[in-house]
Amino acid sequence: LAKTTQPISMDSYEGQEVNITCSHNNIATNDYITWYQQFPSQGPRFIIQGYKTKVTNEVASLFIPADRKSSTLSLPRVSLSDTAVYYCLVGPDMLTFGGGTRLMVKP
Amino acid sequence: GAGVSQSPSNKVTEKGKDVELRCDPISGHTALYWYRQRLGQGLEFLIYFQGNSAPDKSGLPSDRFSAERTGESVSTLTIQRTQQEDSAVYLCASSLELAMTGELFFGEGSRLTVL
Repeated sequence: LAKTTQPISMDSYEGQEVNITCSHNNIATNDYITWYQQFPSQGPRFIIQGYKTKVTNEVASLFIPADRKSSTLSLPRVSLSDTAVYYCLVGPDMLTFGGGTRLMVKP
Repeated sequence: GAGVSQSPSNKVTEKGKDVELRCDPISGHTALYWYRQRLGQGLEFLIYFQGNSAPDKSGLPSDRFSAERTGESVSTLTIQRTQQEDSAVYLCASSLELAMTGELFFGEGSRLTVL
């Protein structure tokens, strides 16, 4: 299984763009990259998934370079309500969540 | 229901007692997953079901933990002779198929406190 590494925590301010990078050096050919968001006292929620290049939805963008050894979740113009833990998952089975990145958005 | 439902939402028990946690997945979802999340920690995978079968039980922390699923629907996670280290939020998720792509839909979790 591909192992992921992401920052333990990040701070940002309202209105800024936040980029969270996940490293997955041993990603396999058939692995997808998926990001989840978890608010306190709630289960994780799917944000976005991609295989290569760029994926965008109404919540975020996911940038994946050609070698696919890393990926960057981009949150445009964050608000206080984006304060959460963000998890990067890689693989065909999507079963393993790491520790995630705790994003704190400040006023 | 519209989403994954878990019960009880909160459970306080005494050390040594048995507890059962229930998960009602989204109707039609063939895959079901159990995770454990200790305070301030990430999600620890416990077990998954494809239909009513659990192909790999190696994620269960000890033989005090067991899980079953019936009718490709409801699942129960049972913890026997609970210990204080079992205190955590137990999260259930379901997906249309085993989640190679697509998304897992999580419940709100069952918070277990062992005194």
